[in-house]
Amino acid sequence: QQPVQSPQAVILREGEDAVINCSSSKALYSVHWYRQKHGEAPVFLMILLKGGEQKGHDKISASFNEKKQQSSLYLTASQLSYSGTYFCGTEGMNTGFQKLVFGTGTRLLVSP
Amino acid sequence: ETGVTQSPTHLIKTRGQQVTLRCSSQSGHNTVSWYQQALGQGPQFIFQYYREEENGRGNFPPRFSGLQFPNYSSELNVNALELDDSALYLCASSFDRIRTGRGELFFGEGSRLTVL
Repeated sequence: QQPVQSPQAVILREGEDAVINCSSSKALYSVHWYRQKHGEAPVFLMILLKGGEQKGHDKISASFNEKKQQSSLYLTASQLSYSGTYFCGTEGMNTGFQKLVFGTGTRLLVSP
Repeated sequence: ETGVTQSPTHLIKTRGQQVTLRCSSQSGHNTVSWYQQALGQGPQFIFQYYREEENGRGNFPPRFSGLQFPNYSSELNVNALELDDSALYLCASSFDRIRTGRGELFFGEGSRLTVL
């Protein structure tokens, strides 16, 4: 079942913060986050495994609430380069292979 | 730049035809997955190949088939094309997760297929 992302779209001014949420109805093994710019390949941002960990990379961080099967992506002090569509990809338990189910995406536009 | 290359980048086919899409994995990756991305949607899992064998499949009919070669490059074949097959087809390579514990996907830029 496809995870639900919110919001669907967000517009920021450079330097502002944003939070993107991803919610699944299934028990998850991991949550991935990717950013895709128009006409380009999705680019890996980070992966979170069950265990409720939080990870960070520069000014982008994420958390995974295993009990609620929810993940959030935090973008702080946004830059113009953050513009794009953000997808969460969820991986269920015990599949035996790596199948990601992606959400419908969150479009982020950062303006000067 | 992920090191994953796909060809062709764009192609147009007519309904009923067959198409082959190709993917060259990043060096050191022995796992490849194929995803279909319709306009405005997230990618949908088609199947995954690990060490030249299909080891997982999504909800796609058998007319979607694939191959992985000894050098870990890969092909996606679609027979009897339908209008709904029009989409961006993404190839993603990854490390051997069993050996490395790493699960991130490295996507190519995709092949955009239009079926008329």
